[in-house]
Amino acid sequence: DIQMTQSPSSVSASVGDRVTITCRASQGINNWLAWYQQKPGKAPNLLIFAASNLQSGLPLRFSGSGSATEFSLTISSLQPEDFATYYCQQAHSFPLTFGGGTKVEIK
Amino acid sequence: QVQLVESGGGVVQPGRSLRLSCVASGFTFRNYGMHWVRQAPGRGLEWVAIIWYDGSKKYYGDSVKGRFTISRDNSKNTLYLQMNSLRAEDTAVYSCAREGVEGVAAADYWGQGTLVTVSS
Repeated sequence: DIQMTQSPSSVSASVGDRVTITCRASQGINNWLAWYQQKPGKAPNLLIFAASNLQSGLPLRFSGSGSATEFSLTISSLQPEDFATYYCQQAHSFPLTFGGGTKVEIK
Repeated sequence: QVQLVESGGGVVQPGRSLRLSCVASGFTFRNYGMHWVRQAPGRGLEWVAIIWYDGSKKYYGDSVKGRFTISRDNSKNTLYLQMNSLRAEDTAVYSCAREGVEGVAAADYWGQGTLVTVSS
């Protein structure tokens, strides 16, 4: 199975900060990576698919990059509504696997 | 708009069975693959299973393989998860999610989930 490792597990940041979250796959997954945002008590929301494609309707401050085993999600200017937990997920092979999550907290 | 509504959760004893349902609306259900994903209290997301749009292929997570079965009834716009031999570690909120169109390779819509508690 492909293991997905996210870092950091949590980050404290202020509104307006640039935040980058990293996701590492235990083997190459090409660009088959998605990023989700989840707020407490809510269902996850797809942000990025195929490593760098922003889901329709979402703000441009979210961007994804990477390939093979190293990926990142960047929020260019953190907004109050962005405080949440973020998960990466590989879609290269079954079983699909998620990273452990990164909680973005208010500093 | 796309809606996914899960039901069937509850409290069940270890070793017993439970069947979850997910009713879909707002899109052509028979054209999309569907997932089940779970989240234990205070924990991260865990992928459970996927079924192809026509039911022809099914894949499972390691922790549920051989105990859980995913199925669908396209005439009823409904996805199912049959859970047998339940264990305490299966306690979680179970959510269904729609697989995006070809090239998306991600779950683009999610239900709110139904809570399954396995306890004696």
